[in-house]
Amino acid sequence: DGGITQSPKYLFRKEGQNVTLSCEQNLNHDAMYWYRQDPGQGLRLIYYSQIVNDFQKGDIAEGYSVSREKKESFPLTVTSAQKNPTAFYLCASSSLGGGVYNEQFFGPGTRLTVL
Amino acid sequence: AQSVSQHNHHVILSEAASLELGCNYSYGGTVNLFWYVQYPGQHLQLLLKYFSGDPLVKGIKGFEAEFIKSKFSFNLRKPSVQWSDTAEYFCAVNGNNDMRFGAGTRLTVKP
Repeated sequence: DGGITQSPKYLFRKEGQNVTLSCEQNLNHDAMYWYRQDPGQGLRLIYYSQIVNDFQKGDIAEGYSVSREKKESFPLTVTSAQKNPTAFYLCASSSLGGGVYNEQFFGPGTRLTVL
Repeated sequence: AQSVSQHNHHVILSEAASLELGCNYSYGGTVNLFWYVQYPGQHLQLLLKYFSGDPLVKGIKGFEAEFIKSKFSFNLRKPSVQWSDTAEYFCAVNGNNDMRFGAGTRLTVKP
């Protein structure tokens, strides 16, 4: 059963703590993405990666970090430097063909709440 | 950076009414266009996409969208909505390998 899994579904964190969100895909996609979804703002790109051991900042990378040690995995760390971390986080993946991004497939998301 | 505008933030319709959700973008070059839907409690999933060819694109569940290049628009339509279409709809535009999403339109269909 191919797809993208994200864990946990809900996450609570105290202020000042770092927290890591998991994202795994078995679609054999080269590219992976992290988005943040806030009401009325759509999806904003945090980081993306097109190849193992390489990743690029998106529009709102400050206070976040990622790694891409394996093709299947793209974990996101929300650091204590992120000023407003409470949000819904979505992971996505896509194939890369001919330099054109294909459709992105999304995981179920993780809702992070900072207490 | 390019931008995507969805002017309708919340649309409320009765069942069987026709639907049109607006999407405009700013990028002037070649674009790939997408509509995604997020049903309550479910994954974001693709409704339809346009890469090239016929500008009228048919998607799943009776949805269609028309690409009008001169208007930088990719509006989503459905002739007759159902209660099960209640969801949030996102337009996305990929221009020059830069994918952008609109803010979303929440559709509520009353039975």
